[in-house]
Amino acid sequence: GAGVSQSPSNKVTEKGKDVELRCDPISGHTALYWYRQSLGQGLEFLIYFQGNSAPDKSGLPSDRFSAERTGGSVSTLTIQRTQQEDSAVYLCASSKGLGGVLAKNIQYFGAGTRLSVL
Amino acid sequence: AQSVAQPEDQVNVAEGNPLTVKCTYSVSGNPYLFWYVQYPNRGLQFLLKYITGDNLVKGSYGFEAEFNKSQTSFHLKKPSALVSDSALYFCAVRDLNDYKLSFGAGTTVTVRA
Repeated sequence: GAGVSQSPSNKVTEKGKDVELRCDPISGHTALYWYRQSLGQGLEFLIYFQGNSAPDKSGLPSDRFSAERTGGSVSTLTIQRTQQEDSAVYLCASSKGLGGVLAKNIQYFGAGTRLSVL
Repeated sequence: AQSVAQPEDQVNVAEGNPLTVKCTYSVSGNPYLFWYVQYPNRGLQFLLKYITGDNLVKGSYGFEAEFNKSQTSFHLKKPSALVSDSALYFCAVRDLNDYKLSFGAGTTVTVRA
């Protein structure tokens, strides 16, 4: 597609429920990133994928968070047993690649999913 | 480790006046620096980047930024601000050997007519 697409744009859930957030990157972008934007913490890096592999998951805030990417394209961020502190905007970005000179590549962001946990 | 500081939470300017949004950074190696803008309920839009070369970088919508290695700064500037420039601006840094962007806390710019 023309840009990074995220769905849903808004999600309201009850505490304890599981949620899935979807990201469809720009076609041909091999690198995909998840960030979280919240009032107290600003923009935090969560995880990145190179192809279908996630070499570093250390940014995920707890073991309730997981992410996968299939076919080198769509990625899903799953939050199990949601808590109120999970309320935030979850942003996905993609780029042409990473590592070495490819670290210069621009990350293009989607509009985000606003998650509200009641 | 890498980090970014945006010392001003808010910047207010009159339309037509120069706009400056400040950013300082810290990285262990050579920095790759970026500016993004976020409008309400929208994602981050890329404005410009510094990789190497000229210290003055020109970007979208008439914005430019000046890289100053001795002061470890990368301030965003626009000679004549527009009301439509009112938004949240983020500075970000990435080390050559890193994969993630580290963002500043953001600066809210308000341009009054």
